[in-house]
Amino acid sequence: EAGVAQSPRYKIIEKRQSVAFWCNPISGHATLYWYQQILGQGPKLLIQFQNNGVVDDSQLPKDRFSAERLKGVDSTLKIQPAKLEDSAVYLCASIGFDEQYFGPGTRLTVT
Amino acid sequence: GDSVTQMEGPVTLSEEAFLTINCTYTATGYPSLFWYVQYPGEGLQLLLKATKADDKGSNKGFEATYRKETTSFHLEKGSVQVSDSAVYFCALSRDNFNKFYFGSGTKLNVKP
Repeated sequence: EAGVAQSPRYKIIEKRQSVAFWCNPISGHATLYWYQQILGQGPKLLIQFQNNGVVDDSQLPKDRFSAERLKGVDSTLKIQPAKLEDSAVYLCASIGFDEQYFGPGTRLTVT
Repeated sequence: GDSVTQMEGPVTLSEEAFLTINCTYTATGYPSLFWYVQYPGEGLQLLLKATKADDKGSNKGFEATYRKETTSFHLEKGSVQVSDSAVYFCALSRDNFNKFYFGSGTKLNVKP
């Protein structure tokens, strides 16, 4: 089966600009996560979707971050406006049959 | 709140040495516990897991036992190989894959 797809793989923007990341989970996986992984740290959960509904977004900085999964399949994560401290790898993962599958991530550099 | 603490790295070992990477957790109830591995240039992969106390997860020669009395899930391997060089993450989840919490990761370097 195809894995979790993410794009773009790399993005460089200036602070105060906006950016969007896209994730397509494995077909049939209802649960989707977005994580932020800052260099040298473990992934931090930002938001969890079950189908097109938000299960948990308690760690999402809602003043600048937003995410949606309108049709319960693919998802987008947006940052507007970006700050220097948003430089990180943004990981998408989906859950299937008792296992979490990660995408390759999008590496964001904010200058 | 829930959290995971793992030993800081890097850990440097010679090939065929014994490996232990310590992981302790803080959580209410009965979380599921995981070890993930990230090889250089690759994404996160599940290495092993345990879903209840005293369960032992194992894969590729790695083992970890869910110890509720010490709130620990230490990763062990009897004889490491150069190909085991990677970053290892301990993690927990609540309520059957809700709310994942990851440790900060431990980098393992294995020398030939």
